Amino acid sequence: SAVISQKPSRDICQRGTSLTIQCQVDSQVTMMFWYRQQPGQSLTLIATANQGSEATYESGFVIDKFPISRPNLTFSTLTVSNMSPEDSSIYLCSVDGTGLQTQYFGPGTRLLVL
Amino acid sequence: AQKVTQAQTEISVVEKEDVTLDCVYETRDTTYYLFWYKQPPSGELVFLIRRNSFDEQNEISGRYSWNFQKSTSSFNFTITASQVVDSAVYFCALSEAMNNFNKFYFGSGTKLNVKP
Repeated sequence: SAVISQKPSRDICQRGTSLTIQCQVDSQVTMMFWYRQQPGQSLTLIATANQGSEATYESGFVIDKFPISRPNLTFSTLTVSNMSPEDSSIYLCSVDGTGLQTQYFGPGTRLLVL
Repeated sequence: AQKVTQAQTEISVVEKEDVTLDCVYETRDTTYYLFWYKQPPSGELVFLIRRNSFDEQNEISGRYSWNFQKSTSSFNFTITASQVVDSAVYFCALSEAMNNFNKFYFGSGTKLNVKP
């Protein structure tokens, strides 16, 4: 399986600011995914990011709030914009095990918005 | 309607007990995958198993076993002789061919507490 890292691992931010989360994979992958896990909740898919095209957002998530970049096959960023306390969550990136239809997850970024 | 239901919110057992985590899914697709992931307190999601819809054979891996029954749309997970290190939140998930297996539907998770 791919080795996935995320930066930062955790952060405390003030409301109204933005935070960019990085996701790095040790091998080239076609698709990368961003999830949000609110406290005590399950995972919710935010968007799917393919290299060279705009991200595809799920219902309830918009590009202005969660802009995503995918500049190459091993890297992606998710920005949480104009944060409010409701954005306090764990944000996880995942990649498909190419050809295996399996998603492998990064360690997550724990975000607390005050 | 939820596609993946994990009715057990939290389970507590004493070490060495066996425990079964339930997962019921719903799909109209004939081709799909089912998964189990473990999320320890550190927060990382650890892949445990994938099962495709055409393979109903039960699987055993060490102390872990999985029972897939299409007739009841269930994919249950049993830990035999549980250990404290098994304490975590366990998620069941579903992906479907109609979404190219890219969209994962996660259950709400079952928190397992294994006490010494």
